Amino acid sequence: QVQLVQSGAEVKVPGASVKVSCKASGYTFISYGISWVRQAPGQGLEWMGWISNDNGNTNYVQKLQGRVTMTTDPSTSTAYMELKSLRSDDTAVYYCARPGRYAMDVWGQGTTVTVSS
Amino acid sequence: DIQVTQSPSSLSASVGDRVTITCRTSQSISSYLNWYQQKPGKAPRLLIYAASSLQSGVPSRFSGSGSGTDFTLAIRSLQPEDVATYFCQQSYTTPRWTFGQGTKVEI
Repeated sequence: QVQLVQSGAEVKVPGASVKVSCKASGYTFISYGISWVRQAPGQGLEWMGWISNDNGNTNYVQKLQGRVTMTTDPSTSTAYMELKSLRSDDTAVYYCARPGRYAMDVWGQGTTVTVSS
Repeated sequence: DIQVTQSPSSLSASVGDRVTITCRTSQSISSYLNWYQQKPGKAPRLLIYAASSLQSGVPSRFSGSGSGTDFTLAIRSLQPEDVATYFCQQSYTTPRWTFGQGTKVEI
């Protein structure tokens, strides 16, 4: 079946970096991009950015420009999201999702990233 | 960027009630509006895409309507398993798809 499986929870100190992976299966990886969405505790959903799995083009939300890098490895059907210079307000659950023609129709299970000294 | 405003932020209803949630965008987005359901500790689940199309496997008590700047999600007969937070999302500005603030539905 179509699914996205993300890497496990991470605990980081302020100033560190984190890299979350998202492995796709059950569909042709390069036919869809991957979007990343995060959700701080008790808060709503925040779109972070998108990467094309075909050509690696990216589009990031302005507030994360310079700190976020999204990459993709079509040979393993895996997308990655790296966030640098972590702060306490980066503590959140990070989701990858498959953007279909109209909507994000497949979601990963989420990766909890905790930033704490 | 297109702003997406959802209302109400929370609501409480009884089993069997009809429930409606509204989403308004800061500019016209045609029918590029989606609805998601999120239960505690779970990833969001797509319910409605393109304003009114029911995603496969979603119960028919859920429906969506609207176009332009005003949209509505309706739950025809609220069930206990519908307790969740509901988010709308605009997909007009591909790939920058922004979300509403969410509506928490309780019984």
